[in-house]
Amino acid sequence: AQSVTQLDSQVPVFEEAPVELRCNYSSSVSVYLFWYVQYPNQGLQLLLKYLSGSTLVKGINGFEAEFNKSQTSFHLRKPSVHISDTAEYFCAVTGYSSASKIIFGSGTRLSIRP
Amino acid sequence: KAGVTQTPRYLIKTRGQQVTLSCSPISGHRSVSWYQQTPGQGLQFLFEYFSETQRNKGNFPGRFSGRQFSNSRSEMNVSTLELGDSALYLCASSLEGFNTEAFFGQGTRLTVV
Repeated sequence: AQSVTQLDSQVPVFEEAPVELRCNYSSSVSVYLFWYVQYPNQGLQLLLKYLSGSTLVKGINGFEAEFNKSQTSFHLRKPSVHISDTAEYFCAVTGYSSASKIIFGSGTRLSIRP
Repeated sequence: KAGVTQTPRYLIKTRGQQVTLSCSPISGHRSVSWYQQTPGQGLQFLFEYFSETQRNKGNFPGRFSGRQFSNSRSEMNVSTLELGDSALYLCASSLEGFNTEAFFGQGTRLTVV
């Protein structure tokens, strides 16, 4: 079974500042990892995913994440945030098997201050 | 191409009633999964259907059920509604499952009174 922990429920940052949203996972098997973003009154949109290969993954809207197997982490980063990045961000994990379920973290609300 | 469509967008039901929610996936996608989102419990996986078969199931009571049709459209049914079933229900479709990109609909906001 897998589990996901998003360490911060809320992260306030100033516009144009860098941001890191933290995600740690637990699993006894190899995993796929995802970051999704949810804007108000919307569904989720995939930001990026790690399936295999390079541990640094680049996604949409200037976001990137680094898979760290030894620390079981998959932190999301952006060097300079914009007001439009205000949203809730979810980290998710699933196993390789088609029988694996997807587990979401509790979410991190990113609020950008002008 | 058209995205994932969920209908209706908003629904108000009374305790004890039942409700059916619909999800039309992106054309060509065979996997449809359902999620319940609430402020208290967050985003929880309900079930996944692949080629008309339930392939995965979350930890929800039997009052929550679903099905998938031959055109990949899916429905979710909740019987004997409880106040705690009030939530945003999200549907996602993907080509093969969770290891391929999932596209989410805008959700159905269910309020049970």
